[in-house]
Amino acid sequence: NAGVTQTPKFQVLKTGQSMTLQCAQDMNHNSMYWYRQDPGMGLRLIYYSASEGTTDKGEVPNGYNVSRLNKREFSLRLESAAPSQTSVYFCASSVYRAYEQYFGPGTRLTVT
Amino acid sequence: TQLLEQSPQFLSIQEGENLTVYCNSSSVFSSLQWYRQEPGEGPVLLVTVVTGGEVKKLKRLTFQFGDARKDSSLHITAAQPGDTGLYLCAGAGFQKLVFGTGTRLLVSP
Repeated sequence: NAGVTQTPKFQVLKTGQSMTLQCAQDMNHNSMYWYRQDPGMGLRLIYYSASEGTTDKGEVPNGYNVSRLNKREFSLRLESAAPSQTSVYFCASSVYRAYEQYFGPGTRLTVT
Repeated sequence: TQLLEQSPQFLSIQEGENLTVYCNSSSVFSSLQWYRQEPGEGPVLLVTVVTGGEVKKLKRLTFQFGDARKDSSLHITAAQPGDTGLYLCAGAGFQKLVFGTGTRLLVSP
């Protein structure tokens, strides 16, 4: 049982490049989330998907887009990367919103 | 806006010491979760407390939910280096989970 998986684990981008972070869960959870975590700060919610077919903005959505591809997969896209998007990105899932969340191992992204 | 403040922000102690981490809010939550995040990994759920006044124990860790369900504490007895990490509380509101600001704990041998 893999839980929540994320790819890639590490990525370096140049300013203006684009990329997609992939996330998949095998726990049949309805809700999925993308967070960023910066040094000295807690988790900040970027986007979430309460259920398959729906997505909503979190507290820091600017510069990102998401796709809930199916119940298992939720991707995060940076269309034009900026140095301010250098961070560690975590995907998480839960049975429903406000229930316990299960996190992936994270993607460490550096934008130069 | 629901906010969860954790204190202290940083804690550096010696192995064997006891410590308490606090998680406070002015909002009422239906439940409160505690997570631990080790360096280089994602947060992992430790416990969920649901009832006001509830106390749960996980080996040397004791979690308490405040009577009014606005605050919580985590007490670690005889801390060990393996307890090192970032501790996050998270309050469950209506259709929403709010994460606290985090407490970074370093336990030295």
